[in-house]
Amino acid sequence: GAVVSQHPSWVICKSGTSVKIECRSLDFQATTMFWYRQFPKQSLMLMATSNEGSKATYEQGVEKDKFLINHASLTLSTLTVTSAHPEDSSFYICSAGDFQAFFGQGTRLTVV
Amino acid sequence: AQSVTQPDIHITVSEGASLELRCNYSYGATPYLFWYVQSPGQGLQLLLKYFSGDTLVQGIKGFEAEFKRSQSSFNLRKPSVHWSDAAEYFCAVGAEGGGADGLTFGKGTHLIIQP
Repeated sequence: GAVVSQHPSWVICKSGTSVKIECRSLDFQATTMFWYRQFPKQSLMLMATSNEGSKATYEQGVEKDKFLINHASLTLSTLTVTSAHPEDSSFYICSAGDFQAFFGQGTRLTVV
Repeated sequence: AQSVTQPDIHITVSEGASLELRCNYSYGATPYLFWYVQSPGQGLQLLLKYFSGDTLVQGIKGFEAEFKRSQSSFNLRKPSVHWSDAAEYFCAVGAEGGGADGLTFGKGTHLIIQP
């Protein structure tokens, strides 16, 4: 079946650096992908909607200059956490597919 | 604005016993409803979804859910749980158009299976 793949599965970075997370649809085209953030033992919070060929739509309270989203092709969306700080440490998950049927395996970001 | 409530943070069930996880939603129009399962450190897997039609929905891994509009509920059930069902379960609601907008998730229910 259809699969959404995220890379990397986990990353540790130094405070002040930037980190890029990739979300790929492996066997289908996705004009829209979604990025969620999950704090430990918490629910998923929608961060933004990634639209192929146009600007992402950010949820209220999400800093678009900090969380840069690029959806340059029908199979790839990237989330770049710029100038990362420890409070950005979290689990980031993307989704795609009809009715968001498919989620990536998530990326654990730790900022030290 | 839409919202989802999962009243039970933790539920403990004996292996082989039946299971019901509760979900209540708030949405002004016809909701699109989902149940997902998440194993530790993993992404989410879709168990089942409801858009319209038969209010009893069958999903994967032997799960089913029933949509009750009068109660604004979409409870997840399984007649006999297995140890491998231990995980975090999330109920989610989407706007009509089902997936064109992001989903709103409940806080999740942690399922513990006793031997």
